[in-house]
Amino acid sequence: DTEVTQTPKHLVMGMTNKKSLKCEQHMGHRAMYWYKQKAKKPPELMFVYSYEKLSINESVPSRFSPECPNSSLLNLHLHALQPEDSALYLCASSQDQARASALFFGSGTQLSVL
Amino acid sequence: AQSVTQLDSQVPVFEEAPVELRCNYSSSVSVYLFWYVQYPNQGLQLLLKYLSGSTLVESINGFEAEFNKSQTSFHLRKPSVHISDTAEYFCAVRGTGGGNKLTFGTGTQLKVEL
Repeated sequence: DTEVTQTPKHLVMGMTNKKSLKCEQHMGHRAMYWYKQKAKKPPELMFVYSYEKLSINESVPSRFSPECPNSSLLNLHLHALQPEDSALYLCASSQDQARASALFFGSGTQLSVL
Repeated sequence: AQSVTQLDSQVPVFEEAPVELRCNYSSSVSVYLFWYVQYPNQGLQLLLKYLSGSTLVESINGFEAEFNKSQTSFHLRKPSVHISDTAEYFCAVRGTGGGNKLTFGTGTQLKVEL
């Protein structure tokens, strides 16, 4: 199984809503990532978890809150988002954070904030 | 710090013609290089990677890339493209420091025409 599964595939939310994005992998990977991708742009790193501990936070606003309940799951909790937060949110995993470890991406959640 | 440059934002090509997508990197240390492909409304898929050893790496769908240390390049090639190869292609480098982040180029849109 070489898949990273993300749910939901699409999400529309208002600026006062609270929602969560979910990501799951069963490859035994110990590093998991959240990326944000705007149209026609490369992905931008948001967070990295390594062995279930937050390793990197790229100065992401607090309205985005990551959570890693176990080694297979990664969540991104959303609250009070802004319209400019509309984007494709990608989850990825890798064996670990070593440079030789390739990242495997999910198909993403297309988020629209109204 | 490392960086990646993809000079061509769009590359139009006719079906069955050869194609080269250019990627240049800069890094003061040894690098690990990757090519990812993103089809419309999907996540990123790992196409191929260079970690060490043979400088020519191949993917299962006919793409190949050659690591050239003297020219700091990792160009992607395919001798004969298909309509189904139409997608966005991202070159990426995984460097040292700051948690070994994966740094993406700005992407090249490959458009295969009949």
